[in-house]
Amino acid sequence: AQSVTQLDSQVPVFEEAPVELRCNYSSSVSVYLFWYVQYPNQGLQLLLKYLSGSTLVKGINGFEAEFNKSQTSFHLRKPSVHISDTAEYFCAVSGAPRAVRGAQKLVFGQGTRLTINP
Amino acid sequence: GAVVSQHPSRVICKSGTSVKIECRSLDFQATTMFWYRQFPKKSLMLMATSNEGSKATYEQGVEKDKFLINHASLTLSTLTVTSAHPEDSSFYICSARPPGGQTQYFGPGTRLLVL
Repeated sequence: AQSVTQLDSQVPVFEEAPVELRCNYSSSVSVYLFWYVQYPNQGLQLLLKYLSGSTLVKGINGFEAEFNKSQTSFHLRKPSVHISDTAEYFCAVSGAPRAVRGAQKLVFGQGTRLTINP
Repeated sequence: GAVVSQHPSRVICKSGTSVKIECRSLDFQATTMFWYRQFPKKSLMLMATSNEGSKATYEQGVEKDKFLINHASLTLSTLTVTSAHPEDSSFYICSARPPGGQTQYFGPGTRLLVL
């Protein structure tokens, strides 16, 4: 089974400052990793995903994340945030296709609330 | 691409009644859809996995007779909350995954309030 830990429940940042949202996972099988963003009273929007290949993944809205297998991490970064980035961010993991049945379900972290202050 | 819709976006009902929520993949076919529940300021909890043409697979602790799931076509799955009670009030979100794909695409969610 997989699990995800988002180390920070809340992250306040000033506008135009850089930000890093931390995510660590545990799994006994190969994994796929995802970051989703949720704006108030809305569903989840995919920011980026790591399936294979380059460990540095670029997503929408200027976000990027780096898969670090040795540290079992998939931290999300943005070099300069905007007020509009204020939202809840979820890291999620699923088992790769050859994983045992059931491991392909998405497992979510508890979320990190990113607040951008002017 | 990869748009998922949900209907209704919010619903208020009386205790004891049943409520049906629809989840549609608009521009792709989805052999697998998922239903999640989200409590305020909490993460998503997977309720069940819905496969087209077969019975849904429920997570441990989720009452299958209370949360009826039907995946009648490759673009539509429905969740019916039967005999709803105030504790069923929550934000319900569905997602859909294209055949052979690894990514789930989420709907906008349905907020259910049971009085």
